[in-house]
Amino acid sequence: DVKVTQSSRYLVKRTGEKVFLECVQDMDHENMFWYRQDPGLGLRLIYFSYDVKMKEKGDIPEGYSVSREKKERFSLILESASTNQTSMYLCASSLVSSGKTQYFGPGTRLLVL
Amino acid sequence: ELKVEQNPLFLSMQEGKNYTIYCNYSTTSDRLYWYRQDPGKSLESLFVLLSNGAVKQEGRLMASLDTKARLSTLHITAAVHDLSATYFCAVGGTGGFKTIFGAGTRLFVKA
Repeated sequence: DVKVTQSSRYLVKRTGEKVFLECVQDMDHENMFWYRQDPGLGLRLIYFSYDVKMKEKGDIPEGYSVSREKKERFSLILESASTNQTSMYLCASSLVSSGKTQYFGPGTRLLVL
Repeated sequence: ELKVEQNPLFLSMQEGKNYTIYCNYSTTSDRLYWYRQDPGKSLESLFVLLSNGAVKQEGRLMASLDTKARLSTLHITAAVHDLSATYFCAVGGTGGFKTIFGAGTRLFVKA
């Protein structure tokens, strides 16, 4: 079974704090993704990575950065958290081939006060 | 720009009834996915549709794809309470890594 794990299920942070969200997958997938999920908006892609040290901006990258130093690990960084970044964050991974399903982690619910 | 629209966004139905969720997308795509999400849980893959006319079935759920109409449907047959969840369709851009998700359809099946 593919397993995608995220470092925290719930986080509470203060405005201005630097926040790290970590994602680890154990299936040797090349692609990894970070989404945020907000009610009525579906999932919106923040960043994705198709290889170690490679990253591409998604649809809403502002205020976020990412790091992929190892194939199995993809980190999302909020440089200076703001209240409008309160959301559910979902990590996913997939094989590189087109048409392959993304496998999702359990999500991190982040509250920024 | 690829856009994905689902409807309805909320669906309340009685057990035993049939219904269809629609997913329209705006530009050519080579793959379409359906996912299920239970409250407080992550997304679980249901179907991957890769070609025009593709039909896949699992239990009471059947998904189909019409690439000419840029439309996929998720048909629910004889709904049961356990199908209550949010269903997302997602469309991949041609040849790329990105997948665009619809807003989701919140399905509630009344016992």
